[in-house]
Amino acid sequence: NAGVTQTPKFRVLKTGQSMTLLCAQDMNHEYMYWYRQDPGMGLRLIHYSVGEGTTAKGEVPDGYNVSRLKKQNFLLGLESAAPSQTSVYFCASRLSGSSYNEQFFGPGTRLTVL
Amino acid sequence: DQQVKQNSPSLSVQEGRISILNCDYTNSMFDYFLWYKKYPAEGPTFLISISSIKDKNEDGRFTVFLNKSAKHLSLHIVPSQPGDSAVYFCAAGRAYSGAGSYQLTFGKGTKLSVIP
Repeated sequence: NAGVTQTPKFRVLKTGQSMTLLCAQDMNHEYMYWYRQDPGMGLRLIHYSVGEGTTAKGEVPDGYNVSRLKKQNFLLGLESAAPSQTSVYFCASRLSGSSYNEQFFGPGTRLTVL
Repeated sequence: DQQVKQNSPSLSVQEGRISILNCDYTNSMFDYFLWYKKYPAEGPTFLISISSIKDKNEDGRFTVFLNKSAKHLSLHIVPSQPGDSAVYFCAAGRAYSGAGSYQLTFGKGTKLSVIP
């Protein structure tokens, strides 16, 4: 049981390049989330999904797109990377049902945009 | 507008003593709260939670206290150990309000250093 995994762990992009971050979970969770963490800013929600084929915007969605084609995977895309998107990105998942269920986080992807 | 505030960016405590981490919130619609612990280069891990119908929840060395009237919660770690050195995030959620129930709002975190 791997929990939540993220690919890649590190990436350096040039401004304007595109990339996709992959999140996978093997816990059969309905809900999945993408966050970014910046120094002194805590965790901010980018997008989330409450089930296969559904996505919704979080607090800071601009410049990102997401897809949830399979229940176990949640993809975060950057179409044209900007230096302001330099951050550590965390994926999380959660069981549906009780709102008290905690979110489980992946190990993070450190992205640098030059 | 920051709805969940952790006003102390850092805290240093001697090993064996009590660590108290504080969190304030402004949104009265929040009705459950969680604490996460984060080591460098790792994802946050869930530590303890409390719902608004309680004022205290305990799990081993960790206790969370909730004061609804003051919109304040605190995490107590007794006794503190060097392995507790990490960043602690406070998070708040809404259990029964549709789309809002899917999300958590996080504070900026407090870095705890436990000195041997």
